[in-house]
Amino acid sequence: GEDVEQSLFLSVREGDSSVINCTYTDSSSTYLYWYKQEPGAGLQLLTYIFSNMDMKQDQRLTVLLNKKDKHLSLRIADTQTGDSAIYFCAEKNSGYSTLTFGKGTMLLVSP
Amino acid sequence: GAVVSQHPSRVICKSGTSVKIECRSLDFQATTMFWYRQFPKKSLMLMATSNEGSKATYEQGVEKDKFLINHASLTLSTLTVTSAHPEDSSFYICSARVREYGYTFGSGTRLTVV
Repeated sequence: GEDVEQSLFLSVREGDSSVINCTYTDSSSTYLYWYKQEPGAGLQLLTYIFSNMDMKQDQRLTVLLNKKDKHLSLRIADTQTGDSAIYFCAEKNSGYSTLTFGKGTMLLVSP
Repeated sequence: GAVVSQHPSRVICKSGTSVKIECRSLDFQATTMFWYRQFPKKSLMLMATSNEGSKATYEQGVEKDKFLINHASLTLSTLTVTSAHPEDSSFYICSARVREYGYTFGSGTRLTVV
């Protein structure tokens, strides 16, 4: 079946940029997503990218998609302590109504 | 934006009792809702897909008689954990598909069975 892989942990200092990486195996992915989960809370959609796009920028967030390598990244510029959370990469296959999630990357931002 | 309200946010129950979790779409109609279970340090595991007016579709390995799902209206889906055991303790999250490319999530329910 489809698989989505992420590194489990990333630590950065406040003000630095954070880059969270994700790889996936499903070549039929249509949309790829980044969700943020704060402790004890649900998932908040941060951004998404359609599979025919290479890059999408939204304020401090930049998503890069390398479809050939099936690699997705999320860059957070000027990372703040409030960005500390778990970030989930997810992909949607056109044939299914559900998402396949990675295991999440815990981002820790230190002052 | 589309909001899904999930209640309760936290519940503690005794072994053998049943617990109902509600997921309500506040400003849109959700014909399809999804129920996930999240284990510590693990990703979300899809339990079932809830379709309004019809039976839910359960993922392999999920006991349909234990995790009862009802989606009787376009704005409400419920998950009932029946005869709860400590191993059912987990974080349960519902989700609804808002449009072709968007999925919105509830705030989750922390279930602790003692």
